[in-house]
Amino acid sequence: GQQVMQIPQYQHVQEGEDFTTYCNSSTTLSNIQWYKQRPGGHPVFLIQLVKSGEVKKQKRLTFQFGEAKKNSSLHITATQTTDVGTYFCAGLRSNDYKLSFGAGTTVTVRA
Amino acid sequence: DAGVTQSPTHLIKTRGQHVTLRCSPISGHKSVSWYQQVLGQGPQFIFQYYEKEERGRGNFPDRFSARQFPNYSSELNVNALLLGDSALYLCASSLDLNEKLFFGSGTQLSVL
Repeated sequence: GQQVMQIPQYQHVQEGEDFTTYCNSSTTLSNIQWYKQRPGGHPVFLIQLVKSGEVKKQKRLTFQFGEAKKNSSLHITATQTTDVGTYFCAGLRSNDYKLSFGAGTTVTVRA
Repeated sequence: DAGVTQSPTHLIKTRGQHVTLRCSPISGHKSVSWYQQVLGQGPQFIFQYYEKEERGRGNFPDRFSARQFPNYSSELNVNALLLGDSALYLCASSLDLNEKLFFGSGTQLSVL
């Protein structure tokens, strides 16, 4: 089963609106990675966070790693139709260095 | 530059058969990982190999095995196939351990 939990499972967004997806781990993580998978495609790396409290931005995407290194979030502003897809967080567990993926947040956009 | 390549792209097998999936990593990448992705779920870790040695194994039965060759390519073998093994099998390579993953397009396995 999933060691890393993601919410929400589905996000229906009006074009131009903002939304946030959350990722929580039961164990401390060495780092957290975010991937995007378009329908019918394969996961593509977006970003990696390593430090406690780290915040990184990629244009309209803002990624944050929690202080306790057990949770993370992805915030997208001014959603566009190109943002459609499933966003996965993947946590590298500190105890065994296995990369565990969440179940993903599937984003659809209403024009 | 070529990305991660996997073969075959699609495969149909029947219960009890075995299957071999192949993966060629990006040139220079020393680590290869295998993941199983069932529709609607995130990738589940199966194996990680680095410099031809197994460095990690997920919660999969012994029917699943893998190896990495001197040229860093890899094979995933699944014996005694079950209906529940139907999934997209993804291979990912990385430059080193714990680095970002580059995924291939996957092998869609259907077990009938």
